[in-house]
Amino acid sequence: KQEVTQIPAALSVPEGENLVLNCSFTDSAIYNLQWFRQDPGKGLTSLLLIQSSQREQTSGRLNASLDKSSGRSTLYIAASQPGDSATYLCAVDRDDKIIFGKGTRLHILP
Amino acid sequence: GAVVSQHPSWVICKSGTSVKIECRSLDFQATTMFWYRQFPKQSLMLMATSNEGSKATYEQGVEKDKFLINHASLTLSTLTVTSAHPEDSSFYICSARGGNSYNEQFFGPGTRLTVL
Repeated sequence: KQEVTQIPAALSVPEGENLVLNCSFTDSAIYNLQWFRQDPGKGLTSLLLIQSSQREQTSGRLNASLDKSSGRSTLYIAASQPGDSATYLCAVDRDDKIIFGKGTRLHILP
Repeated sequence: GAVVSQHPSWVICKSGTSVKIECRSLDFQATTMFWYRQFPKQSLMLMATSNEGSKATYEQGVEKDKFLINHASLTLSTLTVTSAHPEDSSFYICSARGGNSYNEQFFGPGTRLTVL
């Protein structure tokens, strides 16, 4: 059974700092891994999708890496801004279903 | 491209009534649609998977007679919460596959259901 764990559950950092969010999964047989952002009371915003054959994806200040063999992914946010405050969800896609982690609540301090 | 919409975005209903939520893929044909539920400060939990023209597959613990799913076309799936109770109050999100070659799931904006 696939389990997805995100650490830390919550994180507060001063504006301008770089930070890393972690995601681990128990079954390496995945189709892809996706990082989402969710603002309070809102839906999901897809940030980055990494295919199982890829090792990383970049979009602006965001970089996501994938190590299937160790069952880990990281989301790196450079030069954090108050607008980055949100919950970040890691989701593992096994083609038949997506399993979500519980998320990391990120608060960027102005 | 690859946009998924949900209607309504929020709904308030009395206990005992039924509520229907629509999920539409606006610019692609969705071979498979998924329904998730999210309670406050919790992650998304898959409720069921539906394929056009066939019965939905429900996750363990989800009552199929209470959460009726119909996937009548390649662009529309509906979730009906029957005889809703306050404990059914939640954020319901749908997703759809088929929008690109990566077989990615595209998510709708969600529907907030409040049962009084």
